[in-house]
Amino acid sequence: RKEVEQDPGPFNVPEGATVAFNCTYSNSASQSFFWYRQDCRKEPKLLMSVYSSGNEDGRFTAQLNRASQYISLLIRDSKLSDSATYLCVVTTDSWGKLQFGAGTQVVVTP
Amino acid sequence: NAGVTQTPKFRVLKTGQSMTLLCAQDMNHEYMYWYRQDPGMGLRLIHYSVGEGTTAKGEVPDGYNVSRLKKQNFLLGLESAAPSQTSVYFCASSYSAGGPKNEQFFGPGTRLTVL
Repeated sequence: RKEVEQDPGPFNVPEGATVAFNCTYSNSASQSFFWYRQDCRKEPKLLMSVYSSGNEDGRFTAQLNRASQYISLLIRDSKLSDSATYLCVVTTDSWGKLQFGAGTQVVVTP
Repeated sequence: NAGVTQTPKFRVLKTGQSMTLLCAQDMNHEYMYWYRQDPGMGLRLIHYSVGEGTTAKGEVPDGYNVSRLKKQNFLLGLESAAPSQTSVYFCASSYSAGGPKNEQFFGPGTRLTVL
């Protein structure tokens, strides 16, 4: 079983719509949680950290559910520039070693 | 600041050949990491370093060696390349480890094909 699992998508979203997707993690000792964004053939870049109480950054909202071991990302008012692969990332130790999901592809269409 | 740079950007090797991938960062980060990314899989950690002169194994270390002789550089070596090592290799660095503020900064990647 993979440590971090994501629906690969693609999620096809009309411009202006809302899209949400989850990822699940298997290690209950996981400490920190992130969403990274990866554009085609580019490097991953941090989108946002995920805090226990949930947090928002502009049009992006992340939630953490430790009891059910999943995190979610919601994108409101989708823009064409939001088209990318969103990587769910978890750390389980103090050395910063990241466990990556395989990513969820989002395609925003005009 | 250039951030994290990687050389080369592309490389084609024949089975059995050796090569070294270079990662450099100008952010004075202590922590550096090497990952590989394969289709349908998440990035997987090969080796990492928590400071100059230190290295440690990650999830998929077999067939690779690393060195961190200078704080700003992290080298990944393939002694005898195999087709299974065809992948995109990313280097990353971070100021701290652990915690929700531990952002890793990635280089642009090296696309390696082993024939």
